[in-house]
Amino acid sequence: EPEVTQTPSHQVTQMGQEVILRCVPISNHLYFYWYRQILGQKVEFLVSFYNNEISEKSEIFDDQFSVERPDGSNFTLKIRSTKLEDSAMYFCASRRGRVGQPQHFGDGTRLSIL
Amino acid sequence: QQQVKQSPQSLIVQKGGISIINCAYENTAFDYFPWYQQFPGKGPALLIAIRPDVSEKKEGRFTISFNKSAKQFSLHIMDSQPGDSATYFCAASNYGGSQGNLIFGKGTKLSVKP
Repeated sequence: EPEVTQTPSHQVTQMGQEVILRCVPISNHLYFYWYRQILGQKVEFLVSFYNNEISEKSEIFDDQFSVERPDGSNFTLKIRSTKLEDSAMYFCASRRGRVGQPQHFGDGTRLSIL
Repeated sequence: QQQVKQSPQSLIVQKGGISIINCAYENTAFDYFPWYQQFPGKGPALLIAIRPDVSEKKEGRFTISFNKSAKQFSLHIMDSQPGDSATYFCAASNYGGSQGNLIFGKGTKLSVKP
């Protein structure tokens, strides 16, 4: 069964550094998402992406965050200047397109900011 | 209005018993209600989902009950097994008015004792 893949599985970065998290969504999916999960807390929506542009973003997704689909397969989340509070699991998800079709999640990247 | 409230926070059930997890929402625009199962170190995996035009959906040992007037829905796991031990998240989405971003509950950690 096709799946969403995320790399790296764990990223350790110094505060203030830029970090790029990578995702390869399922190949025929059209909608792409990033979520984050701070340790022990709920999964929170960050941003959705469709037709090569951001379609919705949460208040968490401020100017320090950006997303890109640089080619036909990758979907990236960039944090420009990381803060301690950015430490979390970051999940990428994708969805085929039709209303009610499920979002499929990757196994996440654990981001640790030192 | 965007919150989904989930209870209980944790649940211990004997093998063969019934596990019941409840969720409530406020936003009447939500039209898609999935349940996700998450094992440690893994991303959320879709378990079962329901639309508000039905009151119950069953897939194997998993049943969603949906009460539109009360704005509540619940997950029932029949004949609970130790392999069901995981964290369960309810979620809600407004596919009709948004790109389908999911609003998650805080999660329920289920432990099934042998």
